[in-house]
Amino acid sequence: GQNIDQPTEMTATEGAIVQINCTYQTSGFNGLFWYQQHAGEAPTFLSYNVLDGLEEKGRFSSFLSRSKGYSYLLLKELQMKDSASYLCAVRDSGGYNKLIFGAGTRLAVHP
Amino acid sequence: KAGVTQTPRYLIKTRGQQVTLSCSPISGHRSVSWYQQTPGQGLQFLFEYFSETQRNKGNFPGRFSGRQFSNSRSEMNVSTLELGDSALYLCASSLGAGQGAKETQYFGPGTRLLVL
Repeated sequence: GQNIDQPTEMTATEGAIVQINCTYQTSGFNGLFWYQQHAGEAPTFLSYNVLDGLEEKGRFSSFLSRSKGYSYLLLKELQMKDSASYLCAVRDSGGYNKLIFGAGTRLAVHP
Repeated sequence: KAGVTQTPRYLIKTRGQQVTLSCSPISGHRSVSWYQQTPGQGLQFLFEYFSETQRNKGNFPGRFSGRQFSNSRSEMNVSTLELGDSALYLCASSLGAGQGAKETQYFGPGTRLLVL
């Protein structure tokens, strides 16, 4: 079966660092994506990993370990505008652009 | 470059009716995927179209269908609406370069469908 797990909610303080974990068990794997979704808006692309290791992009970094079926999204220097849901998604290897999404992690950033 | 557009943005229907949603991808993008988002199930893949052909399908009943036109615009149709079809329907476009490519999907704002 297909299973992607993320924590449901997290809270953090402005200026801090937060790590959002994602574990997956899928029948195929062709890359892992992180999306950010503000309430009432469309998901926006944050990062993509297909090889093991860390990808850094400004305040956001994403890590992947394929052998462990594990990824995390690291957000540094948190800002209030980072309050949003963060979605982990695996692209199915047989499915071109078929993305399998986790339920998402709602992050609340407090002053 | 204009983003993905979806029409209508909001829709109210009653049980048993049918509905058609439209998606215009980013210029140059040939792949359009559709997703359903509900609070209980999250984002679930419906189907993907590329060059007017459905090349992948999720686990939804046959009441959900779609098509793609030669200009890459896509429509999805839901027939015999049920209360459980109330959801945000998102479409996403990408280049459509094929398997293994580092291809990113860009989402439209969605159509919020309420079935009464």
